[in-house]
Amino acid sequence: EAGVAQSPRYKIIEKRQSVAFWCNPISGHATLYWYQQILGQGPKLLIQFQNNGVVDDSQLPKDRFSAERLKGVDSTLKIQPAKLEDSAVYLCASSLGGQAQSRVGYTFGSGTRLTVV
Amino acid sequence: AQSVTQPDIHITVSEGASLELRCNYSYGATPYLFWYVQSPGQGLQLLLKYFSGDTLVQGIKGFEAEFKRSQSSFNLRKPSVHWSDAAEYFCAVSKNSGYALNFGKGTSLLVTP
Repeated sequence: EAGVAQSPRYKIIEKRQSVAFWCNPISGHATLYWYQQILGQGPKLLIQFQNNGVVDDSQLPKDRFSAERLKGVDSTLKIQPAKLEDSAVYLCASSLGGQAQSRVGYTFGSGTRLTVV
Repeated sequence: AQSVTQPDIHITVSEGASLELRCNYSYGATPYLFWYVQSPGQGLQLLLKYFSGDTLVQGIKGFEAEFKRSQSSFNLRKPSVHWSDAAEYFCAVSKNSGYALNFGKGTSLLVTP
């Protein structure tokens, strides 16, 4: 099966500019996650979608970050305006969702490396 | 608060030596447990996972992990390390199916000749 697709692979922007990242999850995966991974740290959850609804966005800096998953498939994460501390790898992941153990599994994309200068 | 701790930031082992990476968690009940590996510039690859049952779990690339409820630990092991195992290793936990993964800060593995 195809993996989780993310684009762009790399992005360099100046502070105060805006940027958007795109993610296409595995077909049929109802749950989609965006993680931020700062250099030298583990990934941190920004937002979780179940189909096109938000399940958890408690760690999303909502003054500058936004995300949407309009048709329950692709998702876009936006930063506006960007700050230096937003430099990180942004990872998208998807899972089947649901309560059964057989449905548990998280597949990650290769990520978008953002550098804010 | 729920947390995942990887006590070792860096570990260096000689090629052919055994390896153990530590992971401790703090959750109300037995969570779902995962180990991922990340090579430079690459995404996260699942090594193994534990939900229930046999506490010794076998994964890919010759890795295994043991769940110890009494110690709230899920340590990753490999009997003989290869140079290609040099990477960043992350322990991750989810409360249950349908919940997001909570990651530790990672352990960087260096393999020397």
